[in-house]
Amino acid sequence: NAGVTQTPKFRILKIGQSMTLQCTQDMNHNYMYWYRQDPGMGLKLIYYSVGAGITDKGEVPNGYNVSRSTTEDFPLRLELAAPSQTSVYFCASSYHPSGGTGELFFGEGSRLTVL
Amino acid sequence: QKEVEQNSGPLSVPEGAIASLNCTYSDRGSQSFFWYRQYSGKSPELIMSIYSNGDKEDGRFTAQLNKASQYVSLLIRDSQPSDSATYLCAGTPGITGRRALTFGSGTRLQVQP
Repeated sequence: NAGVTQTPKFRILKIGQSMTLQCTQDMNHNYMYWYRQDPGMGLKLIYYSVGAGITDKGEVPNGYNVSRSTTEDFPLRLELAAPSQTSVYFCASSYHPSGGTGELFFGEGSRLTVL
Repeated sequence: QKEVEQNSGPLSVPEGAIASLNCTYSDRGSQSFFWYRQYSGKSPELIMSIYSNGDKEDGRFTAQLNKASQYVSLLIRDSQPSDSATYLCAGTPGITGRRALTFGSGTRLQVQP
């Protein structure tokens, strides 16, 4: 059971480039999330999805886009990368909504550097 | 004002001591709270959840919730060097309506052998 799989694990981008962070889960969870974590900081919610075809903005959505065409996949798109987007990105999923058990299953993270 | 606040630390305790980690929250609608442990370079993992006022114990860990004071804490008894990590407090959404956990910035715990 792979759980939540993120790719790539590391990436260096130049300012203005675009890329997609991939996230796949095999636990049949309806809820999926993208968080970013800056050095020494907590997790900030970028986007989340409560099911296929449904996405919503979190605290820091600017500069990002998401889609949820299947239950398993929740890719995060960075358009026109900026140095402020240098961070570690975590994808997570949960069976219950965050009003339920609150147990998020996290991927291993994707470390992105924008130069 | 941050929705969930934690002292960033580091909190340093000797091996075998009790480590006390604290968290306050601003959203009175938040009902449930969670403590995640994050080792350096790793992803967070859930260690405790608490849904009602009072204490909840699980092994060496005790979570405490006081909704009137909007205060959550985590006690780690008999602290071990392997407990050295960053502890993230998270709360469920209340008035924000956002169906996702809100995390604090984390407290770094160092347990000295």
